[in-house]
Amino acid sequence: DAKTTQPNSMESNEEEPVHLPCNHSTISGTDYIHWYRQLPSQGPEYVIHGLTSNVNNRMASLAIAEDRKSSTLILHRATLRDAAVYYCINPPSGTYKYIFGTGTRLKVLA
Amino acid sequence: DTEVTQTPKHLVMGMTNKKSLKCEQHMGHRAMYWYKQKAKKPPELMFVYSYEKLSINESVPSRFSPECPNSSLLNLHLHALQPEDSALYLCASSRGGLILSGNTIYFGEGSWLTVV
Repeated sequence: DAKTTQPNSMESNEEEPVHLPCNHSTISGTDYIHWYRQLPSQGPEYVIHGLTSNVNNRMASLAIAEDRKSSTLILHRATLRDAAVYYCINPPSGTYKYIFGTGTRLKVLA
Repeated sequence: DTEVTQTPKHLVMGMTNKKSLKCEQHMGHRAMYWYKQKAKKPPELMFVYSYEKLSINESVPSRFSPECPNSSLLNLHLHALQPEDSALYLCASSRGGLILSGNTIYFGEGSWLTVV
């Protein structure tokens, strides 16, 4: 199973950008990079996913390194509601194996 | 409607009891998942059903028995559990079919299980 490495925790001030890194050095060429987050007392929720090009949606942006061995989830203006554990996942292409790593606990300071 | 509903929200059971956790979705999804999550840990994949057939079993002990009676329902039957099985059990669903980009998974809020 593809292994991801993320910092255990990060802090950000409210309304400032946050860059959450993820290393996935064993990723295969066709494996997508997915990000989920889990707010307190809730199930995980989808944030964004991509393969090679940078991706944007209403929640966040995903920047993928050229060698695809790392990626960064960007929250453009953190709010208190963004305090959560953020998980980077590389499910093997064409499988249902969504294996969660340890994730990054994001704390947003008012 | 992007909702996965799990019942009960809380369950306390003895080690000799038999109980079930239930999960329901009406998004037309054909893949359904069970995850187990201990406090301060990431969710651990247990089972995946695809088109009502068991597709993945992550070497889960037989005291956990999944069942997918139809495309909308997923059960987890529990029998002879141990206190260390106490955890949050998360159900999820996604579109069926294995596509290269991966399917977005939608999670329920979970069932909190305490084994006494």
